Amino acid sequence: GAVVSQHPSRVICKSGTSVKIECRSLDFQATTMFWYRQFPKKSLMLMATSNEGSKATYEQGVEKDKFLINHASLTLSTLTVTSAHPEDSSFYICSALSPGGGIIEPQHFGDGTRLSIL
Amino acid sequence: SQQGEEDPQALSIQEGENATMNCSYKTSINNLQWYRQNSGRGLVHLILIRSNEREKHSGRLRVTLDTSKKSSSLLITASRAADTASYFCATDATGTGGFKTIFGAGTRLFVKA
Repeated sequence: GAVVSQHPSRVICKSGTSVKIECRSLDFQATTMFWYRQFPKKSLMLMATSNEGSKATYEQGVEKDKFLINHASLTLSTLTVTSAHPEDSSFYICSALSPGGGIIEPQHFGDGTRLSIL
Repeated sequence: SQQGEEDPQALSIQEGENATMNCSYKTSINNLQWYRQNSGRGLVHLILIRSNEREKHSGRLRVTLDTSKKSSSLLITASRAADTASYFCATDATGTGGFKTIFGAGTRLFVKA
């Protein structure tokens, strides 16, 4: 089946560091990818929708300058947490929509990145 | 925005018992899905039910959908300790903002051996 690879799986860094998370669709072209944030014991919150070749669409309350999204190819989207602070610590999960996805089949999720800012 | 609500929030049962989780949503949907998440891991897709379907089975899983009540249920039969995880419903919809998936709050299931 379709596979989405998310890297890194875990990041621990100092406050003020910028962190880049990659999301790759390994065996299909994903024109649309999604980025979610999940707090402990909570549900997934959609942060933004990433469309290949165009600007990402951010959900209300999500800072565009804080969470930079780039979807430069049909198989790769990146999320950069700029100047990260302890409150940005969270579990970030990406997903990719395959052709026909959303109607015929669901999104395919990465394994998530646990970000810890000291 | 649409938000799924799930109940119970947490469920503890003995191995072999059935587990039922419910989900409600607020707007029209294309389909509804159930996902499983082990602690600290990504989501595993369990089952998708389309808006024109009422019931679907997959192994020990049974999902129902009532679009008139905007609700769905997930039944896990003959539960096992390995079923311990969080379970989320998610609804897909296409609106003015494009395609979007909204997740419910989740049910944390604990199956005691």
